[in-house]
Amino acid sequence: ELKVEQNPLFLSMQEGKNYTIYCNYSTTSDRLYWYRQDPGKSLESLFVLLSNGAVKQEGRLMASLDTKARLSTLHITAAVHDLSATYFCAVAKKLVFGQGTRLTINP
Amino acid sequence: EAQVTQNPRYLITVTGKKLTVTCSQNMNHEYMSWYRQDPGLGLRQIYYSMNVEVTDKGDVPEGYKVSRKEKRNFPLILESPSPNQTSLYFCASSLIGQAGTGELFFGEGSRLTVL
Repeated sequence: ELKVEQNPLFLSMQEGKNYTIYCNYSTTSDRLYWYRQDPGKSLESLFVLLSNGAVKQEGRLMASLDTKARLSTLHITAAVHDLSATYFCAVAKKLVFGQGTRLTINP
Repeated sequence: EAQVTQNPRYLITVTGKKLTVTCSQNMNHEYMSWYRQDPGLGLRQIYYSMNVEVTDKGDVPEGYKVSRKEKRNFPLILESPSPNQTSLYFCASSLIGQAGTGELFFGEGSRLTVL
């Protein structure tokens, strides 16, 4: 059974700092997704990672995938308040979501 | 505009009163799915459909039914709702196979309260 674990589940950081959210999964998969959810809103797709070693970047967010380690990371560079949200990773083939990481960025 | 539309967005009902949450997508996606979101549990899949007339159970199907008579619609039916089905529900769709990455597109969510 595929299990997906994110950590940390809660993260409070200061603007301008860097941090990383980790997504570990338990069985082989070559496809991983990151989503963002703002309070009271739906989920918005951020990244689709389709192969081992895939790296994608959008603004201050960068996601990577290591299928051998069964690990994906979402790195935040020089955080700004607008990035406060809950971030989910999800692993295919049967899409299983992590618990989510609630990120709060303080001035 | 490409979108997944759910209705109703908010609903308060009572135990045992049948209800249906509709979901429609205009992207010609084969794959559609229902999730429920509860605090601390992430999103859990209820049912999914690979195409018209093809549906299958997800991780938490008990108490729910679905149908896929048309490609664009995938309603979620609660025949006899109970308080433990109080949750935030999301419908999602994606393009599968070689043409798509499997990326899910989500509806806005339906917040259901069962008293």
